Amino acid sequence: QQPVQSPQAVILREGEDAVINCSSSKALYSVHWYRQKHGEAPVFLMILLKGGEQKGHDKISASFNEKKQQSSLYLTASQLSYSGTYFCGTAVISNFGNEKLTFGTGTRLTIIP
Amino acid sequence: DGGITQSPKYLFRKEGQNVTLSCEQNLNHDAMYWYRQDPGQGLRLIYYSQIVNDFQKGDIAEGYSVSREKKESFPLTVTSAQKNPTAFYLCASNRDRDQPQHFGDGTRLSIL
Repeated sequence: QQPVQSPQAVILREGEDAVINCSSSKALYSVHWYRQKHGEAPVFLMILLKGGEQKGHDKISASFNEKKQQSSLYLTASQLSYSGTYFCGTAVISNFGNEKLTFGTGTRLTIIP
Repeated sequence: DGGITQSPKYLFRKEGQNVTLSCEQNLNHDAMYWYRQDPGQGLRLIYYSQIVNDFQKGDIAEGYSVSREKKESFPLTVTSAQKNPTAFYLCASNRDRDQPQHFGDGTRLSIL
């Protein structure tokens, strides 16, 4: 039931682009994306709801393909501050109003100068 | 400013001891959550609560207990039945499932 994230880790030079993928085996209601720096709390990036809409702000955007139960996070022209571990959290469609998120194991992104 | 406060930041537990982690929010959020994070791992849900006086088990509830007597507070007790409690514990809250979860700064629990 845990979503699968890929890649597990990636190293980029400043200014390069990255794509992080999140896949689920279950029908999804929403996908949440968070970034966590070492020893700190996760910070919210964006939510994508059922409907396949792409969202974004600044140089970080995301898409949600509900037919494939997949979401992708796009980071363009990466900055040093983008370093951290990225987690997707998925909420499945449920008749019981299940509100919980299930998080993936994360993608560690390292940006080098 | 509104937010979530977790205390203490660091906690040490002796063998056979129960310990309680505090989580308080002043965001007026209905839902609150407790997660456990092990080194290099994702977040695993322990318990969650959508309204006062009601809570549900998450994926790894064994050895833990919670209460939700007030909207603002959702304390987590790590009981002696939890044999491997060393981890980083995060509390979160949100208004509803379409809203982002706001996280506290976490409590790092270790065994003495």
